[in-house]
Amino acid sequence: QITLKESGPTLVKPTQTLTLTCTFSGFSLSTSGVGVGWIRQPPGKALEWLALIYWDDDKRYSPSLKSRLTITKDTSKNQVVLTMTNLDPVDTATFYCARFTIFGVAAGGFDPWGQGTLVTVSS
Amino acid sequence: SYVLTQPPSVSVAPGETARITCGGNNIGSKSMHWYQQKPGPAPVLVIYYDSDRPSGIPERFSGSNSGNTATLTISRVEAGDEADYYCQVWDSSGDVVFGGGTKLTVL
Repeated sequence: QITLKESGPTLVKPTQTLTLTCTFSGFSLSTSGVGVGWIRQPPGKALEWLALIYWDDDKRYSPSLKSRLTITKDTSKNQVVLTMTNLDPVDTATFYCARFTIFGVAAGGFDPWGQGTLVTVSS
Repeated sequence: SYVLTQPPSVSVAPGETARITCGGNNIGSKSMHWYQQKPGPAPVLVIYYDSDRPSGIPERFSGSNSGNTATLTISRVEAGDEADYYCQVWDSSGDVVFGGGTKLTVL
């Protein structure tokens, strides 16, 4: 059974840096074709992709947030860490991590997802 | 950047067929994935690679993708299908793009 779980602070002050950890089980990020992505969802709004990391440590970032994001992995701990700098109240959202796989040349969907963690940015 | 356009809402009576569209430039050349999100829980993948269903997803859920439009079709709609639905692709740069979401209301 594959599971993912997000952890980190629930309240962050404006201008601070947010660090979120995705701890997963049931798969290895050293397996070819496997990756983990981060997606956020402001209250009442749509899903927004943030970043992803592949088994070979290749990384991709949302163009609109690239300057503020860093994604890393620790294969031995089965963890993926997302760092977002210079938080603003508009960054208040539920943050999800999710696994994806690549079959051939096409990447699949995100499945499964973690339960999500709500991060509020407020002074 | 690539844009996916979904209608904000779709309404359907129980037992009828719901069709949720996702528009994008030459979207038929990309693999489409669909998610269902009910209030509270995380999104769940219901269709991947245009028309494949993960295990546990009812056969009532199907998908198609051609030209500039992808469609998620839910047959014999039930009250429990009421949720937000999101489409998603990988663009030519390898970035992920989500649609704005469609709220399905079962009348």
